[in-house]
Amino acid sequence: GAGVSQSPSNKVTEKGKDVELRCDPISGHTALYWYRQSLGQGLEFLIYFQGNSAPDKSGLPSDRFSAERTGGSVSTLTIQRTQQEDSAVYLCASSLGRQTYEQYFGPGTRLTVT
Amino acid sequence: SQQGEEDPQALSIQEGENATMNCSYKTSINNLQWYRQNSGRGLVHLILIRSNEREKHSGRLRVTLDTSKKSSSLLITASRAADTASYFCATDVYSSYKLIFGSGTRLLVRP
Repeated sequence: GAGVSQSPSNKVTEKGKDVELRCDPISGHTALYWYRQSLGQGLEFLIYFQGNSAPDKSGLPSDRFSAERTGGSVSTLTIQRTQQEDSAVYLCASSLGRQTYEQYFGPGTRLTVT
Repeated sequence: SQQGEEDPQALSIQEGENATMNCSYKTSINNLQWYRQNSGRGLVHLILIRSNEREKHSGRLRVTLDTSKKSSSLLITASRAADTASYFCATDVYSSYKLIFGSGTRLLVRP
């Protein structure tokens, strides 16, 4: 079946502009995660959605970052007033449920803020 | 802060040799997972070992877990050039759904 998809694959934006990154998880996966990976670094947890529960936003680095998940499926990560330090690869993952099953990752969106 | 820390940060070996990567973590876990990442893109799940397991095999992969030392190792036997990638360990903090990833080991397998 189809894996996790993300769009766009690459995004170049000017400092101060807003960007939206999209994630389409595997059908039937109730858990969805966003991570950020800076060049040569590990993954930084951003936000977690589980079913209809309130999301865990504890990893969002500032109030410029927000995310939503519509209908328990597609998720959008929005970064407002982008800064150069926001440049990174943003990875989305989904998993079967509340327990820590293996996570299935999308190919990521490479964001470059100029 | 990082829950998992991999060692070494980078490893270069000849094709056919074995590659061993280590991961240390800080808190109690339910399980530990290893992922591979090619070219800085999406990660691929390799293997999961539960806290009550000590060793697990999958093809050319062998993972060990020592909860008393809070450490794990990933052994790739008979390495191939296609194994060139970054390898990350990920731990779930006990009673939490989050995975905390380490900083990774960059493996280069020379043909």
